[in-house]
Amino acid sequence: AQSVSQHNHHVILSEAASLELGCNYSYGGTVNLFWYVQYPGQHLQLLLKYFSGDPLVKGIKGFEAEFIKSKFSFNLRKPSVQWSDTAEYFCAVISGGYNKLIFGAGTRLAVHP
Amino acid sequence: KAGVTQTPRYLIKTRGQQVTLSCSPISGHRSVSWYQQTPGQGLQFLFEYFSETQRNKGNFPGRFSGRQFSNSRSEMNVSTLELGDSALYLCASSTGTDSWGTEAFFGQGTRLTVV
Repeated sequence: AQSVSQHNHHVILSEAASLELGCNYSYGGTVNLFWYVQYPGQHLQLLLKYFSGDPLVKGIKGFEAEFIKSKFSFNLRKPSVQWSDTAEYFCAVISGGYNKLIFGAGTRLAVHP
Repeated sequence: KAGVTQTPRYLIKTRGQQVTLSCSPISGHRSVSWYQQTPGQGLQFLFEYFSETQRNKGNFPGRFSGRQFSNSRSEMNVSTLELGDSALYLCASSTGTDSWGTEAFFGQGTRLTVV
């Protein structure tokens, strides 16, 4: 069955540090990939998505992710984090067609001023 | 454009009871998916409805069911509640017209506590 692995469950950074969150998926065929963010007390919001084309995708709030097919990876990056990036981040993949999202376990990011 | 609306926001139920949660998708969206979020299991797919038909189903017992109405609003029902059903239930809507998935917009969720 399709699965998504997020390597870090908790990440603590200081403001202005660079961020990279790992995400690997298990399916070898065509995939649609997503990163969602959940700020404290708020709903899940889409950060960015990859359906096809340029493997380097840019999202909102300065986030980007790179799809590396050979590594089954879709890592999230941000060059300089801010305190307001404190949130939980979820990697997800479409599995079985349509809108069945398979989520990773999530990474809690805490950014200290 | 109004977002995805879930009602109620909070519910407390007793073991053995049943509960119905409601979701109103974004106007024009025909796909509604439901997810269960718990600290231990994370986000798990329950089912997806498109034009009143269930298109996908996750690995949950038959106590979990859903339906979609002609106006795309959806309800999910959990019967014979168990303590382990305590969770945040999220609804997501999308246009649903692409067979490989389209962007999903999530609601705030309904926090269900079973006591």
